[in-house]
Amino acid sequence: KNEVEQSPQNLTAQEGEFITINCSYSVGISALHWLQQHPGGGIVSLFMLSSGKKKHGRLIATINIQEKHSSLHITASHPRDSAVYICAVRRNSGGGADGLTFGKGTHLIIQP
Amino acid sequence: NAGVTQTPKFRILKIGQSMTLQCAQDMNHNYMYWYRQDPGMGLKLIYYSVGAGITDKGEVPNGYNVSRSTTEDFPLRLELAAPSQTSVYFCASSYGVLTEAFFGQGTRLTVV
Repeated sequence: KNEVEQSPQNLTAQEGEFITINCSYSVGISALHWLQQHPGGGIVSLFMLSSGKKKHGRLIATINIQEKHSSLHITASHPRDSAVYICAVRRNSGGGADGLTFGKGTHLIIQP
Repeated sequence: NAGVTQTPKFRILKIGQSMTLQCAQDMNHNYMYWYRQDPGMGLKLIYYSVGAGITDKGEVPNGYNVSRSTTEDFPLRLELAAPSQTSVYFCASSYGVLTEAFFGQGTRLTVV
C-alpha cells in the first residue's frame, strides 16, 4: 500500500463546479504539500500545510493531522484549472531532509 | 528570479551512453533533490543534498550519481544509460525542511 493515496485518480467536471481532491497518508508527517502540474509542464507548489487550513484565491487546502487526511478544494472551477494535482508529504523520519513522498496525482479536467 | 533551472528539456540517449542533467537554483537554498516521474506513478527520490559537499541516496539511486560542489548547482549523472531510465526528471530545492518546495520544468529523457 502506498504511503500517500489520492482520490479520485481522474475527475471531469463542468466549469463552475466545486471540486474536492482528497489525500490520505499512513506515516507521521511534519508537513503536507499540494502541487500542480500542467500537461508537459513543470510542477508548481500550491500549498504547504502542517495544520488547519490555507486559502489562496479560489483554492483552499485543509489538513486533519489526527485523521491523516487532507483535501484540496477549488471553488468556481475554470478550464485553466485542468491539471494534475499532486499531494506530497514530508515524513518525520530522517529529519525530513530526505525529500517528499508523493501520491500518484489526480488528473482534473474542467470542461467549458 | 529564475528559480530552479534544468537543462536540457528533452534528450534521447542510446543504450550505454552517458549524460549529465543540469540543475541550478538562484535562491540560496540548502536542500536540493532529484526525482524521477514515471507514468502512473508518484515521483520517486533519486538523490538529495542538504548543502554543498553533502549528498545522499534516495529511494532509487542505482544507475545515477550526483555532486554538489556549490550551493547553486546539483547535476545528476547517468552512466551507461538503460531503457529503464526513460523518465521525466525533476530537480527541486527548498530553503529548509519545512519550507516551500520549488521545482524545475523537468527533463524528458528517452533511452533507446
